[in-house]
Amino acid sequence: ETGVTQSPTHLIKTRGQQVTLRCSSQSGHNTVSWYQQALGQGPQFIFQYYREEENGRGNFPPRFSGLQFPNYSSELNVNALELDDSALYLCASSLVWTSGSTDTQYFGPGTRLTVL
Amino acid sequence: GQQLNQSPQSMFIQEGEDVSMNCTSSSIFNTWLWYKQDPGEGPVLLIALYKAGELTSNGRLTAQFGITRKDSFLNISASIPSDVGIYFCAVARFSSNTGKLIFGQGTTLQVKP
Repeated sequence: ETGVTQSPTHLIKTRGQQVTLRCSSQSGHNTVSWYQQALGQGPQFIFQYYREEENGRGNFPPRFSGLQFPNYSSELNVNALELDDSALYLCASSLVWTSGSTDTQYFGPGTRLTVL
Repeated sequence: GQQLNQSPQSMFIQEGEDVSMNCTSSSIFNTWLWYKQDPGEGPVLLIALYKAGELTSNGRLTAQFGITRKDSFLNISASIPSDVGIYFCAVARFSSNTGKLIFGQGTTLQVKP
């Protein structure tokens, strides 16, 4: 067990709705990355948050947005849900030192989102 | 688009057999990682490789970072039923394990007792 927690475990939404997913990073970690994993595929990078700001983004539209809070926990928000957004959403936490050197990314168990 | 090619896509082996899977890329990457994902769980890091030519072991697992920085392989010796799962290779462009990771499509391993 990595110490990274995500909520909720499962979620069902309808097309056009909005969803918020939550992630608590491992104790001592200051960076959170979000990934989308479609069925039968590897995870795809959505974005990363460091010091409460977006620090790199993958090929996802602006309706995917996020936040990082002072306690380093994070939220992923998706607006105007589409059927193709159905996937497992994973967050991963890591530690970035002030020198810029980094530590391993640890993944949470994920949130399974189904869009009907 | 997809930048990593993992093979084989799936494997069905007898308990006790050795397993080998690999991952190739058309681009150079400075960090190669191998993860295992069980059903309903997130990926768990097995081995991290940061230096071209590096050979690293973790118990029954051995992984190598190709000298060209465009490939890596993972070997599992004397497989056991709990080795069942999906194995992913992942890469990063920077010499650190953070930021954007690019994952392969995965190799599904099934072990027959």
